[in-house]
Amino acid sequence: DTAVSQTPKYLVTQMGNDKSIKCEQNLGHDTMYWYKQDSKKFLKIMFSYNNKELIINETVPNRFSPKSPDKAHLNLHINSLELGDSAVYFCASSQGGVSYNEQFFGPGTRLTVL
Amino acid sequence: AQSVAQPEDQVNVAEGNPLTVKCTYSVSGNPYLFWYVQYPNRGLQFLLKYITGDNLVKGSYGFEAEFNKSQTSFHLKKPSALVSDSALYFCAVRDRLGSYIPTFGRGTSLIVHP
Repeated sequence: DTAVSQTPKYLVTQMGNDKSIKCEQNLGHDTMYWYKQDSKKFLKIMFSYNNKELIINETVPNRFSPKSPDKAHLNLHINSLELGDSAVYFCASSQGGVSYNEQFFGPGTRLTVL
Repeated sequence: AQSVAQPEDQVNVAEGNPLTVKCTYSVSGNPYLFWYVQYPNRGLQFLLKYITGDNLVKGSYGFEAEFNKSQTSFHLKKPSALVSDSALYFCAVRDRLGSYIPTFGRGTSLIVHP
């Protein structure tokens, strides 16, 4: 009955590879997000997506791309992985593009690029 | 533009003592304010939020926060700390007139000593 789930939990890969992280929410929310948490625990918004619009943080390299097959899923695809991509990636969801609704976070995916 | 500051990287408190984790914010209009907690190797969990009305907001696990408009603050408090409260705490803000995407603070590590 996990609200927001991510797979895999751990991902270890070589530089230059392409990888995907999957996210699913069963809360019926229509807005989903991807965050990157660095080694200092700072949270950075990467993408926000609902069925109407995709908002991209302009500082995110275009090697990163979100893909949403339906409202319950927002996957993160990363091309040509670099050492600096090593971090914990969190998926989150909320109900509607409404400012006062809290977000529900997944457990995170720890990505290590060697 | 919206921003949030958590001036303390770490807060240490003895079990049974009251705790305060500080947060100040800046928005163009009026804010929606949130507190989240992150336990080790877990995703963020929502604790409480301020939308409107009573300045004292009560949330999960005995936590509360006080909205102070004149000081642009939203400090998190608990009357009696538990060792199990030890975690990373994030304050977040959304401008009511701006994007629904929140801005998170850098996080404050709370350590409760037995």
